[in-house]
Amino acid sequence: TQLLEQSPQFLSIQEGENLTVYCNSSSVFSSLQWYRQEPGEGPVLLVTVVTGGEVKKLKRLTFQFGDARKDSSLHITAAQTGDTGLYLCAGGGNNAGNMLTFGGGTRLMVKP
Amino acid sequence: GAVVSQHPSRVICKSGTSVKIECRSLDFQATTMFWYRQFPKQSLMLMATSNEGSKATYEQGVEKDKFLINHASLTLSTLTVTSAHPEDSSFYICSARGQGHNSPLHFGNGTRLTVT
Repeated sequence: TQLLEQSPQFLSIQEGENLTVYCNSSSVFSSLQWYRQEPGEGPVLLVTVVTGGEVKKLKRLTFQFGDARKDSSLHITAAQTGDTGLYLCAGGGNNAGNMLTFGGGTRLMVKP
Repeated sequence: GAVVSQHPSRVICKSGTSVKIECRSLDFQATTMFWYRQFPKQSLMLMATSNEGSKATYEQGVEKDKFLINHASLTLSTLTVTSAHPEDSSFYICSARGQGHNSPLHFGNGTRLTVT
């Protein structure tokens, strides 16, 4: 079973601060996705990374895929209250159903 | 972009009744759909993988006779919670993957089930 560990589980910061969320595994993933979920809604895809060492930027969000494709990070610069939500990483393995393995999630609260 | 529609968004039912949740891929064909359950403030737990035209594959600990999955077409999968009990109350989310090995999953907006 491929497992993904996310850290921290909870993060409460002030608006304007920077933060980094980590997603680690002992397994290699063919791709890794980051999702953001708000209460009562389904997760919304933020980014997919597929190449070891890849870095993708989405406005104030920077995503990095580890060289060995076993870990990833999400860095948010100058957090805003609208960034509040549950951030989930999910890894796609080489399995028949193309099933995703989800990390435990990081619950971020950005206070004004 | 790919859209997955889930219905209903909220349902309240009495203990002992059955509830059907629908998951549709609106602009793409999905041979595989996934059903998740999410408890408050927790991540998504995969319940089963729904395969078009064949039986669903259930994760360990998920009762297949309690959570009936039907994937009759390339755009529709249904999850029926049979003889629901209060402990079945949860947020159920479906997802579907587009074509291609590294295609991301697209999620429905979830169904909040409350069993009284």
